[in-house]
Amino acid sequence: NAGVTQTPKFRILKIGQSMTLQCTQDMNHNYMYWYRQDPGMGLKLIYYSVGAGITDKGEVPNGYNVSRSTTEDFPLRLELAAPSQTSVYFCASSYSGASSTDTQYFGPGTRLTVL
Amino acid sequence: LAKTTQPISMDSYEGQEVNITCSHNNIATNDYITWYQQFPSQGPRFIIQGYKTKVTNEVASLFIPADRKSSTLSLPRVSLSDTAVYYCLVGDITNAGKSTFGDGTTLTVKP
Repeated sequence: NAGVTQTPKFRILKIGQSMTLQCTQDMNHNYMYWYRQDPGMGLKLIYYSVGAGITDKGEVPNGYNVSRSTTEDFPLRLELAAPSQTSVYFCASSYSGASSTDTQYFGPGTRLTVL
Repeated sequence: LAKTTQPISMDSYEGQEVNITCSHNNIATNDYITWYQQFPSQGPRFIIQGYKTKVTNEVASLFIPADRKSSTLSLPRVSLSDTAVYYCLVGDITNAGKSTFGDGTTLTVKP
């Protein structure tokens, strides 16, 4: 299994541009998450999904959108990039069985710079 | 939702045992305690998880007192490669998306 994969690894955007960060997992996990991590800080949850077709906001959803049309994919969309969105973005997934404890598996991250 | 408190940083030397404590005073009955490790430029990875008493795996031990209001991650005989940020999370799958990572504890292991 590849686990959680993210593309691209790096990206530089200009202010006002838009882009989609891709995330795919091959572990058949129902739960998926998007976090951002600013330098020297912890992770902040942007959006999460508990299954295909179901998404919900986390701590810092403003400026982002998500969709979940399949179990495997959970793309994150930035519509009008701003310098404040310069960060490292991590996607994660977790199993949701009857006795699940929400252990999350993370992708390698996407480093985004907005100039 | 259980909020966690950890020390911001800790220093240690190679070969020592390191204990990192996390406070979670309002932990709920269904909540588990999970610790993650993060190296620079990588995503966090799972270390250990427990509900009560003691859990041990090949990497670490987790000690949880009876009241469950705190937990201690124990790393035996650390090496330079254990230098990382360690996060304590409290929650369960029904609170998916609600438990937060906080800023973690930066452990620096010195030679």
